[in-house]
Amino acid sequence: AQSVTQLGSHVSVSEGALVLLRCNYSSSVPPYLFWYVQYPNQGLQLLLKYTSAATLVKGINGFEAEFKKSETSFHLTKPSAHMSDAAEYFCAVTYKTGFQKLVFGTGTRLLVSP
Amino acid sequence: EAGVVQSPRYKIIEKKQPVAFWCNPISGHNTLYWYRQNLGQGPELLIRYENEEAVDDSQLPKDRFSAERLKGVDSTLKIQPAELGDSAVYLCASSLEQGPQETQYFGPGTRLLVL
Repeated sequence: AQSVTQLGSHVSVSEGALVLLRCNYSSSVPPYLFWYVQYPNQGLQLLLKYTSAATLVKGINGFEAEFKKSETSFHLTKPSAHMSDAAEYFCAVTYKTGFQKLVFGTGTRLLVSP
Repeated sequence: EAGVVQSPRYKIIEKKQPVAFWCNPISGHNTLYWYRQNLGQGPELLIRYENEEAVDDSQLPKDRFSAERLKGVDSTLKIQPAELGDSAVYLCASSLEQGPQETQYFGPGTRLLVL
């Protein structure tokens, strides 16, 4: 069964610093991978998704992620953090073959200090 | 374009009471999902609808949970009777089509507290 592991339940950065949120997946078949963001008391919003086109995927709000099959990783990065980036970030995986449910990681809370 | 609408946003009930959540998906979206998000966890799928048909309800605790999607648009998720462990955020999502690559659009959720 597919799964994702998000390393670090909390990540703290200073405003303007690099943001790196880690996600490793487990899948026996080629995966689709997603990053969602959740602001307090709101639903999840898609940041970006990998669907086997380019391995470097650019998303909204300046975020990007790179699919690395050899490392089974799909880490999320942003060159310069903004205060408004403070939120919970979820990595999720599903299979390409047929329809399999979207499986979410446990989330990483990003804290941004001035 | 309006997003996924859910109501109520918050609900506090005593255990053994019934509760219902309502979801209106994005117009034209055929696929509707109900998720449960426990504190500090990612969402977990409860049920998926294609139009009015429940095509994946393997994670729905059928002894106390039920769902329906009449006319393939709005959906209602019900718990009867509620237990303390049901306290969570219940999220509804929709997508234009079925398929693993489809983007799911989430509503704001209903936060349930069972006392």
